[in-house]
Amino acid sequence: EDQVTQSPEALRLQEGESSSLNCSYTVSGLRGLFWYRQDPGKGPEFLFTLYSAGEEKEKERLKATLTKKESFLHITAPKPEDSATYLCAVQAGGAQKLVFGQGTRLTINP
Amino acid sequence: DSGVTQTPKHLITATGQRVTLRCSPRSGDLSVYWYQQSLDQGLQFLIQYYNGEERAKGNILERFSAQQFPDLHSELNLSSLELGDSALYFCASSVDDMGTGNTIYFGEGSWLTVV
Repeated sequence: EDQVTQSPEALRLQEGESSSLNCSYTVSGLRGLFWYRQDPGKGPEFLFTLYSAGEEKEKERLKATLTKKESFLHITAPKPEDSATYLCAVQAGGAQKLVFGQGTRLTINP
Repeated sequence: DSGVTQTPKHLITATGQRVTLRCSPRSGDLSVYWYQQSLDQGLQFLIQYYNGEERAKGNILERFSAQQFPDLHSELNLSSLELGDSALYFCASSVDDMGTGNTIYFGEGSWLTVV
């Protein structure tokens, strides 16, 4: 069964303090690894898709990387508006559905 | 705005009742997915439809059913509701059902409270 584990569960940083969120996965035939951002009471907002080990994508202060067993979401010089839950999900085998991790709740203090 | 529209945004209903959640996918998207998000379970896949046909089933209870209509909108029907069914229900859509890494876009969700 496909599994996705995110760590840490929660992370509190000061504004400007860079860090990384981890997403470990166990799947049969990875087709895509997705990162979403979710604000409280809102729907997940698409950030990135990574398809193969070694791939990297960037958007503003966020950079996602992928290896054969895990993905990292690096956040550089974060701002309070980056506070949200960050979700990692995999698409594997012949399925189109996403299997999600439990998320990392990120808080950036001013 | 993802382009996926869900109604209603909030509803409160009593145990034993039945509700219908509605979803309009993004323009041009043929696949619709339903997910349930509760505090202790995270985002759980329920069911997928592609162009009117059921494509995949996840952890969907027998009391729940869904369909996708010819105009591609979808409805999720929840019956004999229990307190544990209280959750956020998300609809999502994508262009097709087998393209590698097709992005799946989520709506804002329907918040169901069963009392």
